[in-house]
This record gives sequence, C-alpha cells and structure tokens, in this order.
Amino acid sequence: AQTVTQSQPEMSVQEAETVTLSCTYDTSESNYYLFWYKQPPSRQMILVIRQEAYKQQNATENRFSVNFQKAAKSFSLKISDSQLGDTAMYFCAFMKRNTGGFKTIFGAGTRLFVKA
Amino acid sequence: EPEVTQTPSHQVTQMGQEVILRCVPISNHLYFYWYRQILGQKVEFLVSFYNNEISEKSEIFDDQFSVERPDGSNFTLKIRSTKLEDSAMYFCASIRGDEAFFGQGTRLTVV
Repeated sequence: AQTVTQSQPEMSVQEAETVTLSCTYDTSESNYYLFWYKQPPSRQMILVIRQEAYKQQNATENRFSVNFQKAAKSFSLKISDSQLGDTAMYFCAFMKRNTGGFKTIFGAGTRLFVKA
Repeated sequence: EPEVTQTPSHQVTQMGQEVILRCVPISNHLYFYWYRQILGQKVEFLVSFYNNEISEKSEIFDDQFSVERPDGSNFTLKIRSTKLEDSAMYFCASIRGDEAFFGQGTRLTVV
C-alpha cells in the first residue's frame, strides 16, 4: 500500500525567506503523480504544484518549486520569498491510477507559519 | 475556469439524523471522489465512483454511507444515521486526466 509521510508537523519562516517542506512516500509503482496542496484557514484545498513521476525535471510554479528525487521517493516543496498569505496547512499527496480510476493519498500535513 | 461546487458549505445536524452532501463535479470529468478531513487531521479517502458505480471504498465507508449520481450532474454523499464522529470537512473531487479538482468542502457538524 502507498503511504505518504510528512515529518514536519509545524514550521515557521520569516517573511521573504525561503522554506522547504519535506515529503517522502512509499510505492512500488513507477507511474504516478505527486502534488502539494495548500489548505488555508478557510479549509479549501488548493493545488500548489504537481509533478509527474516520469518527468525528471522538477516542477516550478512561480515562488513554488519541488525537489523530486524518484529513487529516494522524496518530494519536497520549496517556497521562496515567503509571504504572509502562504500561512496554511500544506499537504503532500500521491496519486496513481488503479482499476477504479485514480486514488489520491495524503500525508498528515505540515502547518506553515509565515512571520512578519 | 470550471470548478467543483459543493453545497451546503456548512451543515449542522442532530445525531442520528440523515444528511445528504451535494457536489457538482466538472462536467466532462469521469471519476468522482469523496474525502473526509476530521478537524486537525489528514485528508482521508472515502470512496471513488466511476461509470455510475463505486469503484473503490475505504474502511471508513461503511453501511452508513452511500453515494449516487442521480441525474448525471450531481454527485451525493448520504450518511444515514449521523454520529458525533462524523463531524468533519467533506471534500468532493473530480478527475479527468491526472489532476484532482477539489470542491470547497462541506463542514458537517453533528451535535
């Protein structure tokens, strides 16, 4: 069974600084997708960034980038130039296709506080 | 941009009552899901639905839960006899291709 582990329950960063959130996962699959979702206090789930496992190039989305290490099964999120609005819960997620479609498994989340 | 819509945004119900949570997935999506997030905990998979039937369900999704797509657009989650521990945020998601689109969630409070 797939598992997703986020080992940092909470992190804080000073505004304008850079922070990295870690995520590791366990799977025997070779084709899958990885995501980072942001959940602000409104509790909405907002997609931050996605990575296809077959792509070696790390995904980037403006201030957000990932360090995808497939062999190590690691998928960390780097937030550059942190902003107060980045304060939220961040979930790492793994998705693979199975007979019933796609299934997404989430990590336990990392709560990020951006300090002014 | 198309989005997944969930109603209501917040529902309060008495223990033992039935609730129906509604979702309108993105129209050309094929796979539909319900997830649950108890306050302060991780997002948990409940059930997936494809081609008008359940394709996979978790151990959480017991006989108290059911899903249906009654009219080809709405996708509902019914909890027959709510318990206090059903209080959570419930997210609907739909997928086409390789990205899950989540609704804004329904906060269910069982009192």
